[in-house]
Amino acid sequence: RKEVEQDPGPFNVPEGATVAFNCTYSNSASQSFFWYRQDCRKEPKLLMSVYSSGNEDGRFTAQLNRASQYISLLIRDSKLSDSATYLCVVNKKNRDDKIIFGKGTRLHILP
Amino acid sequence: DAGVTQSPTHLIKTRGQHVTLRCSPISGHKSVSWYQQVLGQGPQFIFQYYEKEERGRGNFPDRFSARQFPNYSSELNVNALLLGDSALYLCASSLRTGAVHEQYFGPGTRLTVT
Repeated sequence: RKEVEQDPGPFNVPEGATVAFNCTYSNSASQSFFWYRQDCRKEPKLLMSVYSSGNEDGRFTAQLNRASQYISLLIRDSKLSDSATYLCVVNKKNRDDKIIFGKGTRLHILP
Repeated sequence: DAGVTQSPTHLIKTRGQHVTLRCSPISGHKSVSWYQQVLGQGPQFIFQYYEKEERGRGNFPDRFSARQFPNYSSELNVNALLLGDSALYLCASSLRTGAVHEQYFGPGTRLTVT
């Protein structure tokens, strides 16, 4: 089983709709969780951290479910500018840090 | 304010050659991480350095090495290049080790091995 798994998509969603992605992780020792956004041929940029209590930033909501070992990202009222690849990131810290990216989920917002 | 800078932006090498990629972190950032991103995949963690010491290593062969200098800039070296090493190599800097939430990526170096 891969350490971090995401549905690669693409998700084709009409503008204004709500879309949700999940990401599963295999190592229960994983300590911190993040969503990054990557536009085509650009570098990844941090979208938001994910906390056990859940967190919201405008139209974006992230949740962590430690029991089932998954994190989720919900985008409400989607905009054309939300079209990108969304990368799930897990930080596993034993003696050293190990930062693991998922393969990403591609999102296309349709006008 | 300058972000993370990487050089060169593009590079073409042939199999068996050696390559050195360079990264300058954001001013004040002491941690640098290197990632390899193959087309259609997420970035794969190669190394993390903090205060010139290696603090994390991904599952890459010994052909890959890195170092961090006193000014916190970093080099990634790859020996005996293979076709499969063709990828975007990303550098990210943060204030401290493990600070993924404070991690900022550079634009990357696109390496093509022929």
